[in-house]
Amino acid sequence: QKEVEQDPGPLSVPEGAIVSLNCTYSNSAFQYFMWYRQYSRKGPELLMYTYSSGNKEDGRFTAQVDKSSKYISLFIRDSQPSDSATYLCAIGDSWGKLQFGAGTQVVVTP
Amino acid sequence: DTAVSQTPKYLVTQMGNDKSIKCEQNLGHDTMYWYKQDSKKFLKIMFSYNNKELIINETVPNRFSPKSPDKAHLNLHINSLELGDSAVYFCASSQGMVASPTYEQYFGPGTRLTVT
Repeated sequence: QKEVEQDPGPLSVPEGAIVSLNCTYSNSAFQYFMWYRQYSRKGPELLMYTYSSGNKEDGRFTAQVDKSSKYISLFIRDSQPSDSATYLCAIGDSWGKLQFGAGTQVVVTP
Repeated sequence: DTAVSQTPKYLVTQMGNDKSIKCEQNLGHDTMYWYKQDSKKFLKIMFSYNNKELIINETVPNRFSPKSPDKAHLNLHINSLELGDSAVYFCASSQGMVASPTYEQYFGPGTRLTVT
């Protein structure tokens, strides 16, 4: 069993819809939670970073962490075609080791 | 100005060869990483260095040897290349470890390695 499970998609939504992405993890020793966005043939870029349970908002993006359920989510409001990318969740430990999910491919259609 | 750069961008080589990938960051970061992304987009950490000291050394064949000549550079040398080494290799850097409140990890553009 992988340490981080993420549905690879693809997830296709119409422009303006809310995109909902989630991951589950198994090791409670990991306490730092991230979401990365990766455009085709580019390196991942950090979107959201949090280390506590609850919600964190940044513009159209909201990251949600539920440590008791070992469940993390990313919501994208008012989705745009430019949001079409692969979204990877990652959980980290104090030493900088990150475990990534498989990534979910998101397609936002105009 | 490119924050994290890698050379070469593409590398096509035959089985059994030895090759190197270079990474440089101009962000003044202390920590650098090598990741491997396979054909299914699964990203896995291989190594990390903090101030030229090896911190993370995952279960990677010893044909892979990282080297950090200084804080701004992290190279990856691969001996006796195998078909299964074909992947995209990403370099990344961060200021401090993930537990730091200033943590942010920047990735390079990747090196697409194809072993034939």
